[in-house]
Amino acid sequence: AQSVTQLDSQVPVFEEAPVELRCNYSSSVSVYLFWYVQYPNQGLQLLLKYLSGSTLVESINGFEAEFNKSQTSFHLRKPSVHISDTAEYFCAVSDEGFQKLVFGTGTRLLVSP
Amino acid sequence: DTGVSQDPRHKITKRGQNVTFRCDPISEHNRLYWYRQTLGQGPEFLTYFQNEAQLEKSRLLSDRFSAERPKGSFSTLEIQRTEQGDSAMYLCASSSRLAQETQYFGPGTRLLVL
Repeated sequence: AQSVTQLDSQVPVFEEAPVELRCNYSSSVSVYLFWYVQYPNQGLQLLLKYLSGSTLVESINGFEAEFNKSQTSFHLRKPSVHISDTAEYFCAVSDEGFQKLVFGTGTRLLVSP
Repeated sequence: DTGVSQDPRHKITKRGQNVTFRCDPISEHNRLYWYRQTLGQGPEFLTYFQNEAQLEKSRLLSDRFSAERPKGSFSTLEIQRTEQGDSAMYLCASSSRLAQETQYFGPGTRLLVL
């Protein structure tokens, strides 16, 4: 069975500071990894995904995540956060058939001035 | 492309009543998924359809829950004899044949069972 662990329920950070949101997964089969973001009062949006190839994947708004097979991790990072990045971030894993996503419990990123 | 839509956005009901939610996926998306999200948790998979066929159901989906996608377009999720533990956000998502790994989520239906 697949599972995802997000150890940090909340990460407070000041604007323009770097941030890392941690995600560890467990899977007995090939993994496909995702980060979704949920802004206040909005639906889940895909931020970035790892399917194959380069282990470093980037989003259009400056986030990046690195797939680390040996550490079974897919941490999300951003070198300089903005107030507008305040949201809940969910890490998820899928199987080869993409039949379902298994989500972590989420990390709330709070960016303050 | 208007995105995934869900109706209603909010529903308050009394314990024991039946409720039905509707999801309209993105046009021509062949897969449709239902998830449930409770406070402080990530979404949990309930079931999914490929076209009109329901291919997988979670054990979370008790016999009080039923989902349909009769013509392979919109889907309904019905909960019979609601219980207070059914209070949650019900999320619908869809994905296309060419990019099945990317699920697009709707805004959700928030259910409160009194």
